[in-house]
Parts: sequence; C-alpha cells; structure tokens
Amino acid sequence: DAKTTQPTSMDCAEGRAANLPCNHSTISGNEYVYWYRQIHSQGPQYIIHGLKNNETNEMASLIITEDRKSSTLILPHATLRDTAVYYCIVRVEAGANNLFFGTGTRLTVIP
Amino acid sequence: KAGVTQTPRYLIKTRGQQVTLSCSPISGHRSVSWYQQTPGQGLQFLFEYFSETQRNKGNFPGRFSGRQFSNSRSEMNVSTLELGDSALYLCASSLAGMVADTQYFGPGTRLTVL
Repeated sequence: DAKTTQPTSMDCAEGRAANLPCNHSTISGNEYVYWYRQIHSQGPQYIIHGLKNNETNEMASLIITEDRKSSTLILPHATLRDTAVYYCIVRVEAGANNLFFGTGTRLTVIP
Repeated sequence: KAGVTQTPRYLIKTRGQQVTLSCSPISGHRSVSWYQQTPGQGLQFLFEYFSETQRNKGNFPGRFSGRQFSNSRSEMNVSTLELGDSALYLCASSLAGMVADTQYFGPGTRLTVL
C-alpha cells in the first residue's frame, strides 16, 4: 500500500480557506487519492478523489502535484461544521477494496 | 437515495457473549466492507463481501466473521467477546468494489463489552 503522511493537526479561521496537505511519495501510477473526513464518532464522509488531474466538487478541491507525490485538499470557506479529522488515502490495487486509514489531520475551525 | 444503514446503533454485551451487527448498503451497491475503529488502533479493515462472497480480509482473528445475503445486506458476527472488542464498527458500501468506486460509510454501531 502506498503510505500517506499528514500533519497531526491544523487550525483554520472560520471563513478562510483550509489547505490540508498530504504526502504520498510511493504512489503508483494507477492509484487514486481519496479524501474522507470524520466528525466525532460518526461514520467517515467521502469528500473527493482524483487520479492525476485536479478535481473540484461542491465540498472541496483536490490539487495533485504533477509528480503525484503529494496533494492538497482545499476547503474554500471553512465553517465550524468542517471541524473534523481528515484522512488522505491512497487506494490499494484493483480488486482489493479496503481503505487504509492513517491517523489523519485533525482540523479545528476557529470562530 | 437512502444511505448506508446500520443496526443497532448501540450495543452493550458482556465478555464471552457473541454479537451480530447488520448493515444495509445503498440501493444498487453490491460491495460491503466492514471496519473497526478503536482509540488505540484507529480505523482498521475487517473484511469485504461482494456477491455473497468474502473477497478480502484484514488481519483479525477468526472470532470475527461475516456474511452477505443475495440482496447485498451484510452481517458481521463476533464470537466470544473480549473487552478489547469494544469499538465503533463501521460498514461501507460501493457499487462493485473496484478501485475507482467510492465507498460510502454508515453511522456505525457502537459496541461496548463489559
């Protein structure tokens, strides 16, 4: 499995953009980068995923570097409800449908 | 479309008992995966079922088992419960379990073993 490295915690002011980095230097060419978040004691919530190109949806943007060794999740206007643990996951090879969750980044949005 | 549902939401058992947890996937999803989340070990993969067959398994003892029915609903069973089995058990479903399929999680079942 390609491993990911994320900062343990980050703070962000309410209304500002939250930029959450993730390193995945051993990623393979056909492995996707997925982001989930988990609000305390709830099930993880899917945010976004990508392979090579940058992606955007109604929740966030995902920026993947050209060499694919790192990515950044951007929450454009953070709210208090975005306070959660954010997990960056590199999907394992096709056919193995298990997600490897690391320790994630605990994002705290400050009023 | 309804999301992934899990029952029960909370459960209290004593050591040595067994427990069965249930998961109903999103309509049309055929892959169901189970995860265990504890404060010490984080989120860990238990097993995955697709078309009533276990397709992938994590590193858990044989006390943990599961099955999937023809309607894709899944159950997991833990026998001879230990204190360390206290955890949040999460179920996730996806269309076919392929690498590009998104897994959607249920709210989880909180199991407490006394």
